[in-house]
Amino acid sequence: LAKTTQPISMDSYEGQEVNITCSHNNIATNDYITWYQQFPSQGPRFIIQGYKTKVTNEVASLFIPADRKSSTLSLPRVSLSDTAVYYCLVGEDNYGQNFVFGPGTRLSVLP
Amino acid sequence: NAGVTQTPKFQVLKTGQSMTLQCAQDMNHEYMSWYRQDPGMGLRLIHYSVGAGITDQGEVPNGYNVSRSTTEDFPLRLLSAAPSQTSVYFCAKPGAYSGNTIYFGEGSWLTVV
Repeated sequence: LAKTTQPISMDSYEGQEVNITCSHNNIATNDYITWYQQFPSQGPRFIIQGYKTKVTNEVASLFIPADRKSSTLSLPRVSLSDTAVYYCLVGEDNYGQNFVFGPGTRLSVLP
Repeated sequence: NAGVTQTPKFQVLKTGQSMTLQCAQDMNHEYMSWYRQDPGMGLRLIHYSVGAGITDQGEVPNGYNVSRSTTEDFPLRLLSAAPSQTSVYFCAKPGAYSGNTIYFGEGSWLTVV
């Protein structure tokens, strides 16, 4: 199972762009990179998924270099409501059976 | 609730008691799963099912049973509750566009005293 490493916590201010980098050195050929967001007292919520290069949706962008050994989640112009824990997950496209949830990155957005 | 309904929301059990956490989905997706999340930790997979009548173990299955008699329902049973099973439990099903797009229920907070 591909293991991921990401910062335990980050602080930012409202309106700033936040980049959270995740390392996954032993990612396999069939693995996708998926990010989830979790607010207190709620289940995780899917943010974005990618395989290579760049993916963008209405919430975030995901940058994946050619070697795929890391990825960066980019949140543009964060607000207080983006305060949450963010999980980087790597695994085949099989309903998350291979997901290994670490402690994630606790993002605190300050006013 | 992203189409995943869990009950109860909160429960306190005494050590040795048994109980069932209920989970129901509003779509006929074949795959469903149960996770537990301990304070300050990530989620860990307990059991999953790839269809009615088919279940399998995840990372932390000990002390839990599951069954899948219908596509809609996937109950999780605690056979003899222990304080180590105090946790938040999430039921999940896949999303429509990608297998790794998982929709989680709102969680069931379980305390074993």
